[in-house]
Amino acid sequence: DTEVTQTPKHLVMGMTNKKSLKCEQHMGHRAMYWYKQKAKKPPELMFVYSYEKLSINESVPSRFSPECPNSSLLNLHLHALQPEDSALYLCASSHGGYSNQPQHFGDGTRLSIL
Amino acid sequence: DQQVKQNSPSLSVQEGRISILNCDYTNSMFDYFLWYKKYPAEGPTFLISISSIKDKNEDGRFTVFLNKSAKHLSLHIVPSQPGDSAVYFCAASGSGNTGKLIFGQGTTLQVKP
Repeated sequence: DTEVTQTPKHLVMGMTNKKSLKCEQHMGHRAMYWYKQKAKKPPELMFVYSYEKLSINESVPSRFSPECPNSSLLNLHLHALQPEDSALYLCASSHGGYSNQPQHFGDGTRLSIL
Repeated sequence: DQQVKQNSPSLSVQEGRISILNCDYTNSMFDYFLWYKKYPAEGPTFLISISSIKDKNEDGRFTVFLNKSAKHLSLHIVPSQPGDSAVYFCAASGSGNTGKLIFGQGTTLQVKP
C-alpha cells in the first residue's frame, strides 16, 4: 500500500473542462512533487513544493496550475488541456526539499484528454 | 541531452540467479542515486539509494554499487524471484537541484520461473 494517495485514479476530460488532481500524504513530509509520465518514458518533473512554497516550476504551461493548501495536500488544477497532455500524473513526497532523501510516489492519475 | 542512461531496455534471468541492472550518468554534480521498481498501473516504488560518498549499499537481496570515476551504477538482485519482474528506473539528483530527480529510461526485468 502506497502512503501517498492520489485521486482520482482515472480521469477523462474534454479540452474545455476544468478539473483537479489531488494528492495527500500523512508521513510528515515537507516536500511534494508533481511528475508527468508518458507511455514507455521515465517520469518527468513538473513542480516541486518545499514547505508549502513553490520552489521549482519546470517551465510547465500555465494550463497546469499547482496548489499546496497545507503540508499534507497537493493539488494540480487543469484547464484547457491538449490531447498531448494525456499521461500518467504522479505525485511524490519526501522529508524535505533537498537531495539525499528518497521520494515516495503515489499510484498516479491516468489522464485522458478527448 | 540524457543525463541518466539505462542502455538495456530489457533483461531476462532465471529464478534464483543474479539480476544486474546498469545505469550511466554524465553529470558529475550528481551526488545521490536511487533505484525504483514500477509495476503496471502502480507508481514507482523506492528500492534502494546510495550517496556519492559510498561505493556500495546493501538492503536484503538488493545491492547498489557506485563507480564515480566511471559515472556508473548498478543494481544487483540476488536471488532473483518472479515477483521482481517489473520496470526498474535509476534516478539521480545533485546538491544544487533541491530534490529534483532525473530518471533513466528504465529496464524491464523478467524473471522466469
